[in-house]
Amino acid sequence: NAGVTQTPKFQVLKTGQSMTLQCAQDMNHNSMYWYRQDPGMGLRLIYYSASEGTTDKGEVPNGYNVSRLNKREFSLRLESAAPSQTSVYFCASSGWGTQYFGPGTRLLVL
Amino acid sequence: AQKVTQAQTEISVVEKEDVTLDCVYETRDTTYYLFWYKQPPSGELVFLIRRNSFDEQNEISGRYSWNFQKSTSSFNFTITASQVVDSAVYFCALSEARDSGGSNYKLTFGKGTLLTVNP
Repeated sequence: NAGVTQTPKFQVLKTGQSMTLQCAQDMNHNSMYWYRQDPGMGLRLIYYSASEGTTDKGEVPNGYNVSRLNKREFSLRLESAAPSQTSVYFCASSGWGTQYFGPGTRLLVL
Repeated sequence: AQKVTQAQTEISVVEKEDVTLDCVYETRDTTYYLFWYKQPPSGELVFLIRRNSFDEQNEISGRYSWNFQKSTSSFNFTITASQVVDSAVYFCALSEARDSGGSNYKLTFGKGTLLTVNP
């Protein structure tokens, strides 16, 4: 039982490049989330998916898109990366009220 | 709007000292959940505890204890006899309790408290 997994662990992009962050959970949770963590800011919600087939914007959705591929997988896409998107990205899933987090992806945009 | 305030940005203690991390929250919901998460230097986020708004009973788990007071909108976390391994950033978080299959709970995080336990 791996919980929540994320790939890649670390990525360096140049401004304007695109990439997709992958997230999968094996806990049969309905809801999944993407957060970003910046120094001194705590975690901020980018997008979430309450259930398979639905997605909604969180607090900071600009510059991102998401896809809930199936119940297990929820991906985050940066279409044209910007230096302001340099951050640590966490995926999470929840069943009955408690969110469990993946190990994070550290993204550096040059 | 929901808000979580962790006024202590950094705390430094010597091993075996007791330390309390403060958390104050704001919400208009009558039903909500409160959480504490730990983020050690390795970076992962570890769930510690969840407390429902209708359950004000304090909880103790080993060296950890939590004091939930609805009257002051606080959910404080105490580590007794701190150890070096307790060094981490601790986040308090608040979520709404919406019924959409019981699984849609968006978290609002505080900015975290960095706890350093020195040997």
